[in-house]
Amino acid sequence: KQEVTQIPAALSVPEGENLVLNCSFTDSAIYNLQWFRQDPGKGLTSLLLIQSSQREQTSGRLNASLDKSSGRSTLYIAASQPGDSATYLCAVGSWGKLQFGAGTQVVVTP
Amino acid sequence: DVKVTQSSRYLVKRTGEKVFLECVQDMDHENMFWYRQDPGLGLRLIYFSYDVKMKEKGDIPEGYSVSREKKERFSLILESASTNQTSMYLCASSPGGGDLYGYTFGSGTRLTVV
Repeated sequence: KQEVTQIPAALSVPEGENLVLNCSFTDSAIYNLQWFRQDPGKGLTSLLLIQSSQREQTSGRLNASLDKSSGRSTLYIAASQPGDSATYLCAVGSWGKLQFGAGTQVVVTP
Repeated sequence: DVKVTQSSRYLVKRTGEKVFLECVQDMDHENMFWYRQDPGLGLRLIYFSYDVKMKEKGDIPEGYSVSREKKERFSLILESASTNQTSMYLCASSPGGGDLYGYTFGSGTRLTVV
């Protein structure tokens, strides 16, 4: 069974620092990997989707990499802002279903 | 933009009640999903559907059923609500071939069973 792990569970950084969030998965037979953001009490907002054939995806200050062979993905957020404070979830997709990690709770202090 | 709409943001129900959670998507997606999210347990898949009138059990289907009579609507049913079903419920949809396009989630329904 696919296991998805996110480290660290929580992270606090001063504004302006770069954020590095890690996601690992046990079964490399995946179709895609998706990063989501969740604000307290809210639903999930999709940030980036990486297909299994891709190595990375970028959107503005966000960059996500995927190394299928080692079972790892990293989400980089450049020049963090207080508005980036949220929980970030990675989810691995295969056969149309997603398996989620527990998330990394991020606090960016002004 | 694809929209996934969950009919209620907050819901309070009594133990033993039959509860319906509704989800509607507006982009003709084939696939729809129901998850629950609990602190320390993350998101867990309850049921999903690949087509109208089709349903598949997820990881934790016990105590739940679903209905998909129309392509755009996917309902989660708690036949007899219990306090351990107090949770955040999240609906999602994806196109056919969803592995290529990813998921879109609704805003969630916070259900409290008293």
